[in-house]
Amino acid sequence: QKEVEQNSGPLSVPEGAIASLNCTYSDRVSQSFFWYRQYSGKSPELIMSIYSNGDKEDGRFTAQLNKASQYVSLLIRDSQPSDSATYLCAVNNNYKLSFGAGTTVTVRA
Amino acid sequence: GAVVSQHPSWVICKSGTSVKIECRSLDFQATTMFWYRQFPKQSLMLMATSNEGSKATYEQGVEKDKFLINHASLTLSTLTVTSAHPEDSSFYICSARDSGGADEQYFGPGTRLTVT
Repeated sequence: QKEVEQNSGPLSVPEGAIASLNCTYSDRVSQSFFWYRQYSGKSPELIMSIYSNGDKEDGRFTAQLNKASQYVSLLIRDSQPSDSATYLCAVNNNYKLSFGAGTTVTVRA
Repeated sequence: GAVVSQHPSWVICKSGTSVKIECRSLDFQATTMFWYRQFPKQSLMLMATSNEGSKATYEQGVEKDKFLINHASLTLSTLTVTSAHPEDSSFYICSARDSGGADEQYFGPGTRLTVT
């Protein structure tokens, strides 16, 4: 079993819609979780961090964490063409990040 | 804040030569930096953890004598790819963890290495 798994995608959504990304992890003791956005040919950019169960909102992004279910998600509201990228879920294990394979999102204008 | 730079952004070298890549945290101190490698259409693979003032910790399967890491200050880590071969061609990305912050890691812009 992979440490971090993401819905494989690709995910195509129309402009203005909500994009929903899911991630599960295997290590129950993980305490911090991150979403990174990576444009093609570029390095990852941190867009959200979440440490406690529940929701965390930042602009059009909402991260949700459920430690009991070992599940973390990212919602992108009012999706824009500029949101088209690969989104990486990362889980912190002793200060090392384990990454999922990424979900590629395409926002159709 | 939380800016990490890398130099060079891209490099082409001949097989058998060595290449040094620098990673700097510009506005924060980083006792720990990380080196990743990413092949096309794949996710990031952690190569090693670089700790200021001590030896790096390498992930399983990564040759420490081939990928030399030095973390001489709180803002600088270097990765040297020795005796490079075409299969070492990849996108090398460093990240830094803010010593005074939470667990976030901030990534540099990456270095694209092509070995001919």
